[in-house]
Amino acid sequence: DGGITQSPKYLFRKEGQNVTLSCEQNLNHDAMYWYRQDPGQGLRLIYYSQIVNDFQKGDIAEGYSVSREKKESFPLTVTSAQKNPTAFYLCASSGPPAGTQNTEAFFGQGTRLTVV
Amino acid sequence: AQRVTQPEKLLSVFKGAPVELKCNYSYSGSPELFWYVQYSRQRLQLLLRHISRESIKGFTADLNKGETSFHLKKPFAQEEDSAMYYCALLNQAGTALIFGKGTTLSVSS
Repeated sequence: DGGITQSPKYLFRKEGQNVTLSCEQNLNHDAMYWYRQDPGQGLRLIYYSQIVNDFQKGDIAEGYSVSREKKESFPLTVTSAQKNPTAFYLCASSGPPAGTQNTEAFFGQGTRLTVV
Repeated sequence: AQRVTQPEKLLSVFKGAPVELKCNYSYSGSPELFWYVQYSRQRLQLLLRHISRESIKGFTADLNKGETSFHLKKPFAQEEDSAMYYCALLNQAGTALIFGKGTTLSVSS
């Protein structure tokens, strides 16, 4: 079953702890993205990666970190430096990278992170 | 600056009524624009893109460069159209999508 999978669906974190959200895709896509979805704010870009071992900051990268060691995987770490981490996080992939004519981003089901 | 503006948070219509979800953009050059939709308990998914000039589920969207708009339209709304709709713009570098804040469409009978 091809697609993009995020885990876990729900995640609870204590203040001061780092936490890592998983995103895996088997669509053979080059590009992967992390967005944050807040009510009334739409989707805001955290980080993106167009190719393995390379990634770029988006509009709200502060307090987050990523890695792209494998084409299939793009984990997001929410660090203790993120001031307001409670949100819904969406991972997406596209291939070839956004910018070509047939660009379509495929989204995961999302992870809801709550800081307790 | 590259920006997408969706002025309406919520749009409520009756079944069979026409629908227009507004989207305005700010961009230098020729933009590449999309509409994405998120139905209840489903993933965000592509609805249509302007370069394809397609009609999906009865929805169309025309790029108006003069008004910098890409409004989504449907002549007769159905209850199953109720969802959150996002307008999106490919950024200038061609590397990522910029989304608007979204409009919730509610269609009632």
